[in-house]
Amino acid sequence: DQQVKQNSPSLSVQEGRISILNCDYTNSMFDYFLWYKKYPAEGPTFLISISSIKDKNEDGRFTVFLNKSAKHLSLHIVPSQPGDSAVYFCAASAGYGGSQGNLIFGKGTKLSVKP
Amino acid sequence: DAGVTQSPTHLIKTRGQHVTLRCSPISGHKSVSWYQQVLGQGPQFIFQYYEKEERGRGNFPDRFSARQFPNYSSELNVNALLLGDSALYLCASSPDILMNTEAFFGQGTRLTVV
Repeated sequence: DQQVKQNSPSLSVQEGRISILNCDYTNSMFDYFLWYKKYPAEGPTFLISISSIKDKNEDGRFTVFLNKSAKHLSLHIVPSQPGDSAVYFCAASAGYGGSQGNLIFGKGTKLSVKP
Repeated sequence: DAGVTQSPTHLIKTRGQHVTLRCSPISGHKSVSWYQQVLGQGPQFIFQYYEKEERGRGNFPDRFSARQFPNYSSELNVNALLLGDSALYLCASSPDILMNTEAFFGQGTRLTVV
């Protein structure tokens, strides 16, 4: 049973436009959420995170929105650039023990930004 | 600064064999976690170690084991390899075990079992 779901395996957007990547979760115990970006032949790279006490976190071109009642979060990239083309993973953790080691990942969404 | 380093980068083993994967965390990081990523899936948590003690274990059989050394480096061992163990094995380190410290991943070890 998947606790973190990324229902769109792929997304294609034009350079300069907004990219919106979505993620749903089922476990109400999750209280910290992260987005990772992964290029081929590299490990995942941390992008941005959000605690459940917030509903928005912004870092440059990247903004993550959290809707706890809907158990849904989204990553917005504005403006999208060709270098953003990668697989994006949504991950979540529950606060027991405060461990960040036990991250639950979605299957990922492959973003393609076309020039 | 060196990031998380893993060795080897690629490995081919035969069914039934044993494998040891190694990870060196970022300097100063005391927590190391291991993940398995099968093609088309997200990384799946295997183990977390902190200060040389196991602090978390995912849903993996006892064929999987790990340890952390005094210098905080770590080894993942897999016995009696199965074809289904073929995957990218990722190591992640974080400064400690507290909340709001993101994990930094290495590039992974690609294990192929034939």
